Amino acid sequence: KAGVTQTPRYLIKTRGQQVTLSCSPISGHRSVSWYQQTPGQGLQFLFEYFSETQRNKGNFPGRFSGRQFSNSRSEMNVSTLELGDSALYLCASSTGTGRHSPLHFGNGTRLTVT
Amino acid sequence: AQTVTQSQPEMSVQEAETVTLSCTYDTSESDYYLFWYKQPPSRQMILVIRQEAYKQQNATENRFSVNFQKAAKSFSLKISDSQLGDAAMYFCVNQGGSEKLVFGKGTKLTVNP
Repeated sequence: KAGVTQTPRYLIKTRGQQVTLSCSPISGHRSVSWYQQTPGQGLQFLFEYFSETQRNKGNFPGRFSGRQFSNSRSEMNVSTLELGDSALYLCASSTGTGRHSPLHFGNGTRLTVT
Repeated sequence: AQTVTQSQPEMSVQEAETVTLSCTYDTSESDYYLFWYKQPPSRQMILVIRQEAYKQQNATENRFSVNFQKAAKSFSLKISDSQLGDAAMYFCVNQGGSEKLVFGKGTKLTVNP
């Protein structure tokens, strides 16, 4: 079974631009969640989607948004990029929501904002 | 608010020996899960072990075991017979009723041959 696939693996953008990251979950997984990892703040929860609906959202500004499609694939969008948005963005999928469904992570997208 | 603290930014261990990584957490909830994830240089987070707060018995997965002290809000990870492949960042994670994951800052484990 293929794992969680995140594309692209690396991305370089300029301040003020916008970016879209993609996550394809494991086949059969309906929940996708996103995390931001930086050296200073560590790992922080961004949001979680289940069956195309956002179920949970972390404490990030409105510039961060996401969506999930009917095939469970998810995209995350960051508008008006700032230098502080440089980070590793991780996506995870699970069969359901909640603590009973183990998360399976992708390899992440490394975003650099210059 | 939930918090997770890993007081050891870095640890090292000799191959085949045992090492314990520390984690303390704070939560007002009674029903929660605790996890240890490892992140090798490949960047992919991998679940090592998980503990349900209402279970008193400490979880064990092969060479990995935890010491869960609920009253002290402590959740340490013991790795026995350390292997070179165990070298990674280890994150202690709490997931409560809100179901948002709260991560510790991580402990970088080096395994010396």
